[in-house]
Amino acid sequence: DTGVSQNPRHKITKRGQNVTFRCDPISEHNRLYWYRQTLGQGPEFLTYFQNEAQLEKSRLLSDRFSAERPKGSFSTLEIQRTEQGDSAMYLCASSYLDRGDTEAFFGQGTRLTVV
Amino acid sequence: EDKVVQSPLSLVVHEGDTVTLNCSYEVTNFRSLLWYKQEKKAPTFLFMLTSSGIEKKSGRLSSILDKKELFSILNITATQTGDSAIYLCAVLSSGTYKYIFGTGTRLKVLA
Repeated sequence: DTGVSQNPRHKITKRGQNVTFRCDPISEHNRLYWYRQTLGQGPEFLTYFQNEAQLEKSRLLSDRFSAERPKGSFSTLEIQRTEQGDSAMYLCASSYLDRGDTEAFFGQGTRLTVV
Repeated sequence: EDKVVQSPLSLVVHEGDTVTLNCSYEVTNFRSLLWYKQEKKAPTFLFMLTSSGIEKKSGRLSSILDKKELFSILNITATQTGDSAIYLCAVLSSGTYKYIFGTGTRLKVLA
């Protein structure tokens, strides 16, 4: 297993376009998290899944954001009608809940630039 | 609302110095506190702390948790330029099993 994988690594898009990011977690992990990080800030929680169920979505997240994890494996995060304020690093992390206390493992992130 | 606060926000030291990074939290249903190091992209795991007063140590890094006063410290002794990074503190809530991060401390170690 090579760890958490995110694609693409970089994305530049024009304002108003839709973008989709993919995250492949560590294979046996049942929890998958999406975070957003801007310069000088820590990762900000967006949403998370246990298996295929989306358990929580941040109230800071507008309706333009949607995430799926259709078969409890990989996940996608879509941003519709992108705005310049969406420019950030989008981090995916995974963990295995049932092994007691466990750390989350992070992917390399997708850096989004909206121009 | 659950909150994790780190201090200082940034720190510049010289090689060989010892630094102490602070993390305080207000979280419902605390389960564990984690420290990560972020150099360029992905945060990498350093420590997980669940019990008060038990020091975790890895080389020149060590960390301890105080669940009564709701804080943790991360110590780095004999700092090296390779320690330059953002150090993130996160708390795992047992209610939601969600990791809540602080803003991080940006450490720069000068040669």
